[in-house]
Amino acid sequence: GAGVSQTPSNKVTEKGKYVELRCDPISGHTALYWYRQSLGQGPEFLIYFQGTGAADDSGLPNDRFFAVRPEGSVSTLKIQRTERGDSAVYLCASSSPSGGDRKQFFGPGTRLTVL
Amino acid sequence: EDQVTQSPEALRLQEGESSSLNCSYTVSGLRGLFWYRQDPGKGPEFLFTLYSAGEEKEKERLKATLTKKESFLHITAPKPEDSATYLCAVLPSGGYNKLIFGAGTRLAVHP
Repeated sequence: GAGVSQTPSNKVTEKGKYVELRCDPISGHTALYWYRQSLGQGPEFLIYFQGTGAADDSGLPNDRFFAVRPEGSVSTLKIQRTERGDSAVYLCASSSPSGGDRKQFFGPGTRLTVL
Repeated sequence: EDQVTQSPEALRLQEGESSSLNCSYTVSGLRGLFWYRQDPGKGPEFLFTLYSAGEEKEKERLKATLTKKESFLHITAPKPEDSATYLCAVLPSGGYNKLIFGAGTRLAVHP
């Protein structure tokens, strides 16, 4: 069906607030990834889900960041007590378990601005 | 430490002027090397996967090649619509499926 979708496309918040970013992967893709991209840089890995469980969360910068995928489809990235340094584009990607070329399909991203 | 370095950071070409983008990598075992294209305000769009040294893949005016330490993205007779940032990423072996990206090359093709 459709590609990876992310909402909202833009989010402006104030320092110290809580935000949630949503990712809807391609139907049937069991693997889901979150990356963060700062201006002028490549995406940086945050967390990888296989089904409902986080198989690798080694990229989460600190305990203010948390992600869930309760039913193995939609995922939510949650950021508590936001800081100005959290401002970036948050990208979500998904991949197929049968995809022999291991390619990840990316969504358009959520641009987070912390004032 | 797994690392990807892309050069140049930015490249300006005239329409029809062929050139190459470089991606150097150090990785503890390579499961795949990926090229993506990213337009402003959009997510990366998959172009190619390469798996082993000597492999080549082509798509329209783009050709990707791979050696044991680097990959090249050759652009033949580029057009203005090829203007974008080109990202290289590696998938290391022995771990999970996290891609390690370079910072990208910003390509501008002028008529």
